[in-house]
Formats: sequence, structure tokens, C-alpha cells
Amino acid sequence: GAGVSQSPSNKVTEKGKDVELRCDPISGHTALYWYRQSLGQGLEFLIYFQGNSAPDKSGLPSDRFSAERTGGSVSTLTIQRTQQEDSAVYLCASSLGGAGNQPQHFGDGTRLSIL
Amino acid sequence: QQPVQSPQAVILREGEDAVINCSSSKALYSVHWYRQKHGEAPVFLMILLKGGEQKGHEKISASFNEKKQQSSLYLTASQLSYSGTYFCGTDMDSNYQLIWGAGTKLIIKP
Repeated sequence: GAGVSQSPSNKVTEKGKDVELRCDPISGHTALYWYRQSLGQGLEFLIYFQGNSAPDKSGLPSDRFSAERTGGSVSTLTIQRTQQEDSAVYLCASSLGGAGNQPQHFGDGTRLSIL
Repeated sequence: QQPVQSPQAVILREGEDAVINCSSSKALYSVHWYRQKHGEAPVFLMILLKGGEQKGHEKISASFNEKKQQSSLYLTASQLSYSGTYFCGTDMDSNYQLIWGAGTKLIIKP
């Protein structure tokens, strides 16, 4: 079946512009995660969605970052007034449920470059 | 709270064995292992739940020592395809949020 799909795969934009990153999870997966990965680094948790529950936004680094998930499926991560330190790969993952015994399935990511 | 992975990097010849460790200072409910190849997404390998179980996947297996709060990933008779960065993700209370280690870079040479 189809895996987690992210778009665009690459995004280059000027400092100060807004960007939208999209994630389409595996069908039937209720849990959705956004992570940020800087070059050569580990995974930094950003936000978590589970079904119709309020999202956990505790990992968002500033109020320039926001995310939504419509209809319990597709999610959009928005970064406003981008800064050079926002340059990174943004990964989306989904899982069947949100418990610690469920594997996360990752998309190929969006490589964001801020000029 | 970030788990500590060791070693940070290891270089092996094809056919050699490797052990990667993931240690936490907190009691754990589960440990997840993933492998990420350069420029690609992380790929799920296995989950170990508290209870000290051991799991295997082809020539890759792992154990979870609940008392030590440590998990070890064993790669036996390594193949070139095993190259990549291995991450452990730890979960303390069957929560959704994994805390990820910094990764162990594994290079396999022919």
C-alpha cells in the first residue's frame, strides 16, 4: 500500500517568506507526527496529532510554526517569516495508534533551504 | 532525558559484527530502533517492550534490559546494506512521544 507522502520534496525560499509543507499519512493511521532534522543530527519532535484530540504542540520552536490536520488525514506544517535557522529536513510520520508499542512510518521528508 | 547512544560511529568490514547501545536515565516502557540511510527517511526495525524481551529480524536482533534501562542492537555478519545511521527512540509510559538518541553512524566496508 501507499506509504507516507510528503510534498514538496525540496523547497528553496527567501528569508522572511512563508512556507507550507504537506503530509499525507498512511490510510487508517490515526497518529501523525512532525519532526525536524538538521544536517547530521537526530530527530527533533515538533507536533503530534491523534484522532480528534487536541494536538501536542510542545515541540514547536516558536510561534512562527503552526500545523493543522484536516479531517484526521492530511496535515500541513506552516512556517511564517522564515529564518535561515529553519533550514532543515522536515519529516512526517504516521502510526496506527499513538501508543509506545506502535511503529512510526516516515515519509521521505521536505528539504527546506532558506536563502 | 535524551537517551545516550554508543558508539557515535563505527566502521566495520563486511561480515563483522557490531553492537549499538541505547541507555536511558529514566525507566522505560519501550525502545524503538530505526535505520536511516543518507538522504532517505528513517525505516522501522523493531520495538522492544519492557519485560526484557529480545527480538530478531534476519541478522539484526535487539535486547532490552529493563533493570539497566538499556537496549542493545546486534548486527551479525554485517552486510553492505546495513550501512546507515541507527537511531533509538525511547518511550517512558506508553506515551506517543519518543525521545530520540543522537544516532550511531555505521559504515560497512567491502
